[in-house]
Amino acid sequence: RKEVEQDPGPFNVPEGATVAFNCTYSNSASQSFFWYRQDCRKEPKLLMSVYSSGNEDGRFTAQLNRASQYISLLIRDSKLSDSATYLCVVFPNFNKFYFGSGTKLNVKP
Amino acid sequence: DADVTQTPRNRITKTGKRIMLECSQTKGHDRMYWYRQDPGLGLRLIYYSFDVKDINKGEISDGYSVSRQAQAKFSLSLESAIPNQTALYFCATSDPDGSSGNTIYFGEGSWLTVV
Repeated sequence: RKEVEQDPGPFNVPEGATVAFNCTYSNSASQSFFWYRQDCRKEPKLLMSVYSSGNEDGRFTAQLNRASQYISLLIRDSKLSDSATYLCVVFPNFNKFYFGSGTKLNVKP
Repeated sequence: DADVTQTPRNRITKTGKRIMLECSQTKGHDRMYWYRQDPGLGLRLIYYSFDVKDINKGEISDGYSVSRQAQAKFSLSLESAIPNQTALYFCATSDPDGSSGNTIYFGEGSWLTVV
């Protein structure tokens, strides 16, 4: 079983839509969780950390469900510029990061 | 200027050739990593280093070697390149004890094509 699993998509949504991605992780002792954004042929960049209490940054909301071992990312009022691949990242043991394969989002006019 | 710099950014090389990808960082982080990314497979860890004297194999280290020349420099070598090493390679750094917490920062990537 993979350490981190994501639906690869693509999610094709119109501008203004709300879209949500989930990511499941296998190590119940994991402590740190992140969402990264990666544009085509570019490096991944931190979008937001995911805290136990959930956190929001503008149109983006991240949540953690420890009982079911998943994290989620909600994007409201999607913009064309949100089109990218979103990577789920888990840091279970202070040694290595584990990356999901990414979920591709296409926001269309 | 980028905090994590990779050179070369693009390289085409022939099968059997030796090639080195270099990474330098100005973030002052102790931990450095090399990943490769292939379509549909996500990021896979090749090697990682927690300080100058510490080198560890990742999940796909066969065919690769690394050198941590200084805190700021971590290079990846392909001793005898083969076509299935064609990929996008990323260097990354992190500092779990620092102000950035457990965040990992990536260089801009090195596109390597082996023909």
